Amino acid sequence: EAGVAQSPRYKIIEKRQSVAFWCNPISGHATLYWYQQILGQGPKLLIQFQNNGVVDDSQLPKDRFSAERLKGVDSTLKIQPAKLEDSAVYLCASSLIRGRAYEQYFGPGTRLTVT
Amino acid sequence: GQQLNQSPQSMFIQEGEDVSMNCTSSSIFNTWLWYKQDPGEGPVLLIALYKAGELTSNGRLTAQFGITRKDSFLNISASIPSDVGIYFCAGPGAGGTSYGKLTFGQGTILTVHP
Repeated sequence: EAGVAQSPRYKIIEKRQSVAFWCNPISGHATLYWYQQILGQGPKLLIQFQNNGVVDDSQLPKDRFSAERLKGVDSTLKIQPAKLEDSAVYLCASSLIRGRAYEQYFGPGTRLTVT
Repeated sequence: GQQLNQSPQSMFIQEGEDVSMNCTSSSIFNTWLWYKQDPGEGPVLLIALYKAGELTSNGRLTAQFGITRKDSFLNISASIPSDVGIYFCAGPGAGGTSYGKLTFGQGTILTVHP
């Protein structure tokens, strides 16, 4: 079974530029999550999708971050414009809806450096 | 907001030693999970606990769901070099939030000397 795929793996941009990350979840997983992991900390949830609808985006900085999950499969996370404090690893995860929703499977992440 | 506190923050041990780490919460949890993260990779689920008092093993790893429901413990027996990494505990977000939303601890960094 293929795992969660993410691209790119690394990205370096200057502040005020925009960037986009892509995620393809495990086949059959209806729930998809985007996390931000700052160095030395645990992952922090940014947004949760169930199929193509947003379930929770309470911690997403909506003035600069946006995410979509068209057709309930792949997802993209965008930052525009980026700030220095956005430097972090952005992790995508997926899970089943019921019963085992907390058992999340993570992709390798995208390491973003904002200079 | 909800907080998970992991202890210790880091550990340096010799290969073959046993390891113990724990996680405490400011509120009661119904589910506890333990993940491991290798450098440059995403976290990998090790063990999920769903019942207070539950003791679950996965190879050399054993985790327990504390009976107070505010803590959990992870033990690694006979450590080997590939146990190196960051271990995170995680649990459901604060009440009223979406099913599936996880809060993570700050992690315990494990270093194993051959």
